[in-house]
Amino acid sequence: AQRVTQPEKLLSVFKGAPVELKCNYSYSGSPELFWYVQYSRQRLQLLLRHISRESIKGFTADLNKGETSFHLKKPFAQEEDSAMYYCALRDRYGNKLVFGAGTILRVKS
Amino acid sequence: DTGVSQDPRHKITKRGQNVTFRCDPISEHNRLYWYRQTLGQGPEFLTYFQNEAQLEKSRLLSDRFSAERPKGSFSTLEIQRTEQGDSAMYLCASSLRGGTEDYGYTFGSGTRLTVV
Repeated sequence: AQRVTQPEKLLSVFKGAPVELKCNYSYSGSPELFWYVQYSRQRLQLLLRHISRESIKGFTADLNKGETSFHLKKPFAQEEDSAMYYCALRDRYGNKLVFGAGTILRVKS
Repeated sequence: DTGVSQDPRHKITKRGQNVTFRCDPISEHNRLYWYRQTLGQGPEFLTYFQNEAQLEKSRLLSDRFSAERPKGSFSTLEIQRTEQGDSAMYLCASSLRGGTEDYGYTFGSGTRLTVV
C-alpha cells in the first residue's frame, strides 16, 4: 500500500534558520512525489514536484529512493513561510494523490 | 475567479439529514477529485472523475455517499443520513490530464460540514 509519513506535526524555527520538513514514503515502484502548502485562510496549493527538480520560494526537495524520503529544505526560513505543509505521493496509475498528515511550520521572528 | 469553486463554504446539519455539495472545476480540466480532510489529518481520497465517468471510489465512500458529474463539468457530492463521523472538510480538486501528463491539481477552498 502507498503511504506517506510526516513524522513531525509541528516544526518551529527562528527566522533565518535552516528548515527541513521530513517526508518518508512507502511505495512499490517509481513514485512521483509532491509538496503542497496551505497558508492561513488560503486553499491548498502545489509547492513543488520532484520531477521538476526546481526551487520554489527557496525550497528544494530531493527524492532519495534508498531512504524512501523526500524531505523539503530551505536554507534560511522567512516568516512568510509559516504554513501547513503536506507531502504527497501519486499512485502507480497516476490517478490520485496520497497525502501525509502534514507538518505545521512556524517561523518565529 | 477562474479557480475551483465549492458551494457552500460551510454546512451545519442535523444527524440523519441529507446534504449535497457542489464543485465547479476549472473549465478546461477533464479530471475532478473529491477528498475529505479531518482535523489533524491530510486530505483522504474519496473519488475521481474523468469527464463524466467516475473511475475510482475509495473504500471510505460508503453507500451513503454518492458523487456525480453529469455533463463532465460541475460535480455534486451527496451524503445521505449524515452521521457525526461525517463532519469534515470536503475538498474538490481538478486537473488536466492528457495521455501520461498531468498538469497538477488545483484545489477549491472546501466545504466544511458539521453534523450535530
